[in-house]
Amino acid sequence: EPEVTQTPSHQVTQMGQEVILRCVPISNHLYFYWYRQILGQKVEFLVSFYNNEISEKSEIFDDQFSVERPDGSNFTLKIRSTKLEDSAMYFCASIAGEGNQPQHFGDGTRLSIL
Amino acid sequence: QQQVKQSPQSLIVQKGGIPIINCAYENTAFDYFPWYQQFPGKGPALLIAIRPDVSEKKEGRFTISFNKSAKQFSLHIMDSQPGDSATYFCAARQTGANNLFFGTGTRLTVIP
Repeated sequence: EPEVTQTPSHQVTQMGQEVILRCVPISNHLYFYWYRQILGQKVEFLVSFYNNEISEKSEIFDDQFSVERPDGSNFTLKIRSTKLEDSAMYFCASIAGEGNQPQHFGDGTRLSIL
Repeated sequence: QQQVKQSPQSLIVQKGGIPIINCAYENTAFDYFPWYQQFPGKGPALLIAIRPDVSEKKEGRFTISFNKSAKQFSLHIMDSQPGDSATYFCAARQTGANNLFFGTGTRLTVIP
């Protein structure tokens, strides 16, 4: 069964540094998402991306965040200047199309800011 | 603002028991309600989902009950097994949108 893959599985970064989290969505999927899960808390929506542009974003997704689909397969989340509170699991998800399509999640990248 | 409220926070049942996890929402624009199962170190995996035009949906040992007037829905796990021990999240999606609003999660432990 096709999977969403995320790399790295764990990223340790000094506060203030830039970090890029990478995702390879399922190949025929059209909509892409990033979610965040702070340890022990619920999964929170960050941003959705369709047709090479952001379609929705949450209040969490401020100017420090950006997303990109640099080629036909990768989908990246960049945090420009990391803060301690950015420490969390970051999940990428994708769906094939609109409607009640299930979101398929990757196994996440654990981001630790020191 | 908490879009989806979930309870209990944790639940312990004996093998064979029927854990029930409850969720409530306020936004009447929600039209799709999935449940996700998450094991430690893994991403959420879709378990079962329901739309508000039906009151119940069963898939294997998992059942969603939906009460549209009360704006509540719940997950029942029949004949629970130790392998069902995981965190369960309810979620909701608004008409015309694709992002999900998750509940706070329920950590289920099934004791052998």
